[in-house]
Amino acid sequence: NAGVTQTPKFQVLKTGQSMTLQCAQDMNHEYMSWYRQDPGMGLRLIHYSVGAGITDQGEVPNGYNVSRSTTEDFPLRLLSAAPSQTSVYFCASSSPRGGTPSYEQYFGPGTRLTVT
Amino acid sequence: QQQVKQSPQSLIVQKGGISIINCAYENTAFDYFPWYQQFPGKGPALLIAIRPDVSEKKEGRFTISFNKSAKQFSLHIMDSQPGDSATYFCAVAGNNRKLIWGLGTSLAVNP
Repeated sequence: NAGVTQTPKFQVLKTGQSMTLQCAQDMNHEYMSWYRQDPGMGLRLIHYSVGAGITDQGEVPNGYNVSRSTTEDFPLRLLSAAPSQTSVYFCASSSPRGGTPSYEQYFGPGTRLTVT
Repeated sequence: QQQVKQSPQSLIVQKGGISIINCAYENTAFDYFPWYQQFPGKGPALLIAIRPDVSEKKEGRFTISFNKSAKQFSLHIMDSQPGDSATYFCAVAGNNRKLIWGLGTSLAVNP
């Protein structure tokens, strides 16, 4: 199992550009989430999904969109990048589909995004 | 308002010593209390977690102590090793499985 994979690992954008951060998991997990990590701010939840076709906002959703068309994939879209979105982005997943709900989240390796 | 307060922000311990990191929370509805470990350039990984029906859980050199009445829990790392140098995050969750995170503690273990 590859676990949770994220692409790209690094990205530089100019203000106003849009892009999609990719996240995929091969553990058949129902629950997937996106976090951003900034120095001294811990991890903040952007959006999450409890299953295919179901998404909801987290703590800091503004400027980001998500969709969940399959169990495996949960892409994060930046609509119009701003310097305040410079951060490290982590995707995580948990809870095997059809199994006992689990709180343990498995994280991807992260995407380091810089917006100039 | 921060729902989870983690301390200290940074910690330096000598090899073989005990590292102690504390977390305090406000909402008594939380029922899952994990600690995650993060190495530079990597995503966080679950280290150990506890439910409120027990006061202590031990896994190897790592122990969680939980004080329900004080709404506090702590991570103890016994016989700390240089390989334990990392950032540690506490978190809390209720039945919606959404984790609320502390701000992290940077631990350095000197050889």
